[in-house]
Amino acid sequence: AQSVAQPEDQVNVAEGNPLTVKCTYSVSGNPYLFWYVQYPNRGLQFLLKYITGDNLVKGSYGFEAEFNKSQTSFHLKKPSALVSDSALYFCAVRPNAGNNRKLIWGLGTSLAVNP
Amino acid sequence: DGGITQSPKYLFRKEGQNVTLSCEQNLNHDAMYWYRQDPGQGLRLIYYSQIVNDFQKGDIAEGYSVSREKKESFPLTVTSAQKNPTAFYLCASSRPGDTQYFGPGTRLTVL
Repeated sequence: AQSVAQPEDQVNVAEGNPLTVKCTYSVSGNPYLFWYVQYPNRGLQFLLKYITGDNLVKGSYGFEAEFNKSQTSFHLKKPSALVSDSALYFCAVRPNAGNNRKLIWGLGTSLAVNP
Repeated sequence: DGGITQSPKYLFRKEGQNVTLSCEQNLNHDAMYWYRQDPGQGLRLIYYSQIVNDFQKGDIAEGYSVSREKKESFPLTVTSAQKNPTAFYLCASSRPGDTQYFGPGTRLTVL
């Protein structure tokens, strides 16, 4: 079965330090990859996506993500974390092969940035 | 959240009641989606529509119904057949196969 894994339920990082939120996937073909952020009691906000091209994708609010095809990973990164980055982060993958092309979602990673 | 509105923000339902959640978008997107979010379970797809007057069941459609009479609107009805409806409901829209953009959500609580 196709799946998306976010192996860490929670990530803690000190303000000013680099952060990484991990995502791996098991999807055939060359899927589209997405990151979203959710603040408490709010909808999801789109951060960035990878379709093709450069493996390093830059997105909103200083976030970037690195696509690694051999490791089937799409980790979200930021060089210097802010307290305001504390939120819930979701990775999603859209298959580009087969009949089922709906988004497959990870379960989310809660990021806490400590002052 | 811009471009997609959901109402109400909070909704309370009594046992045996049907309630309807509103979703409107002004992004001229063909596709619209309804998700349910429960703590620790991520997002689960309820229904989606790729074009006006057509919609498909998602992974957890039982106890829910939708309509898509206008491109801009995709209301979700939570029926009395849905035994555990307390959750956060999110509506999204997109161009076909492209990035989904989300509304601010509706929190439904069963009294």
